[in-house]
Amino acid sequence: AQKITQTQPGMFVQEKEAVTLDCTYDTSDQSYGLFWYKQPSSGEMIFLIYQGSYDEQNATEGRYSLNFQKARKSANLVISASQLGDSAMYFCAMRAPNAGGTSYGKLTFGQGTILTVHP
Amino acid sequence: DGGITQSPKYLFRKEGQNVTLSCEQNLNHDAMYWYRQDPGQGLRLIYYSQIVNDFQKGDIAEGYSVSREKKESFPLTVTSAQKNPTAFYLCASSMGRDGGYEQFFGPGTRLTVL
Repeated sequence: AQKITQTQPGMFVQEKEAVTLDCTYDTSDQSYGLFWYKQPSSGEMIFLIYQGSYDEQNATEGRYSLNFQKARKSANLVISASQLGDSAMYFCAMRAPNAGGTSYGKLTFGQGTILTVHP
Repeated sequence: DGGITQSPKYLFRKEGQNVTLSCEQNLNHDAMYWYRQDPGQGLRLIYYSQIVNDFQKGDIAEGYSVSREKKESFPLTVTSAQKNPTAFYLCASSMGRDGGYEQFFGPGTRLTVL
């Protein structure tokens, strides 16, 4: 079974500073994918960044980067130059293969971290 | 514009009534999913479908039913058997039958049982 752990219920950051949101995962599969989603107060889930388990380089998307440490089973999200609009709930999620060995896209989510950006 | 639509945005239901939540996508995605989110919690998978006329139970399927008669539509029925249906429901889709790359989410439906 897959499990995602986000140990920070809430985080605060000053505008323009960088912030790291923690995510650790547990799986026995060799092939898996890690995702980060942002959920503003409106409720919609916004895809931010993806890291495949075989990707050798850390993923980056604009101000978002994923600090992937496979041996430690961690996939922390780094947001650089925080903006007020970054205030939201952030979820780490993992996609792993099904019993047949092919991925059916099921995502397992962590509990989330509420990020508040102060001006 | 391509995307996923869910309706209604807010839904109120009396205890003992079935209610159906709509989910439509025009992204030509094969796979579709339903998730439930409780306050302050992550998402949990209810049902998913990789292809038309086929669907599988997720982690919390009891008290829910789905159908997938068309590629673009994946309605969710919350039945009276669901003991605690008040929650935020999110529909998602992804490209390939194997789930593709990322899941795209709709805006959600907030269901309240009175």
